[in-house]
Amino acid sequence: GAVVSQHPSWVICKSGTSVKIECRSLDFQATTMFWYRQFPKQSLMLMATSNEGSKATYEQGVEKDKFLINHASLTLSTLTVTSAHPEDSSFYICSAGQATPSYEQYFGPGTRLTVT
Amino acid sequence: DAKTTQPNSMESNEEEPVHLPCNHSTISGTDYIHWYRQLPSQGPEYVIHGLTSNVNNRMASLAIAEDRKSSTLILHRATLRDAAVYYCIKTNNDMRFGAGTRLTVKP
Repeated sequence: GAVVSQHPSWVICKSGTSVKIECRSLDFQATTMFWYRQFPKQSLMLMATSNEGSKATYEQGVEKDKFLINHASLTLSTLTVTSAHPEDSSFYICSAGQATPSYEQYFGPGTRLTVT
Repeated sequence: DAKTTQPNSMESNEEEPVHLPCNHSTISGTDYIHWYRQLPSQGPEYVIHGLTSNVNNRMASLAIAEDRKSSTLILHRATLRDAAVYYCIKTNNDMRFGAGTRLTVKP
């Protein structure tokens, strides 16, 4: 099956610093990647849709200047949390897939971000 | 807005079949139906998807209503490892999750 990796799997950072999370599709080319955040006992909340070579489309209420998404190649997308604050502490998950024919997505294992 | 409705929770006994329902009454002709499941502190795992016809794979079966407004994920023999939150999504490259169904499997 298709494999998606995320790095790091967990990170602790100080308030005010920036953190970059990488999402890689290891055995296929992903034309579309999605970024989610998930709080404890809640569902995944879509943050943005990223298509290779174009700017990410952010969901309403997600600050694009705070959550920088880059999808520079068909196998790599990055999410940078800038000037992180404790309220940004969450589980961040990416998915990768191809828009056609049937849009199935393959998810990374997630990155646990803790901001102190 | 995920626009799918699932029961919050379901229980099953080990080695018995489980039928997980999903309502997607606003589905359009080009929307696929996807199912994923998630274990605690892990990313979701793809289970199965379909468009119009019923589908089978090694993990599960997907039964799609004739009008496509609902579907049922069938686990033929539940195991303890199947305990997870199951998400049903209707998508045309729009991957929004609803609340999902938390499946508990009792030994």
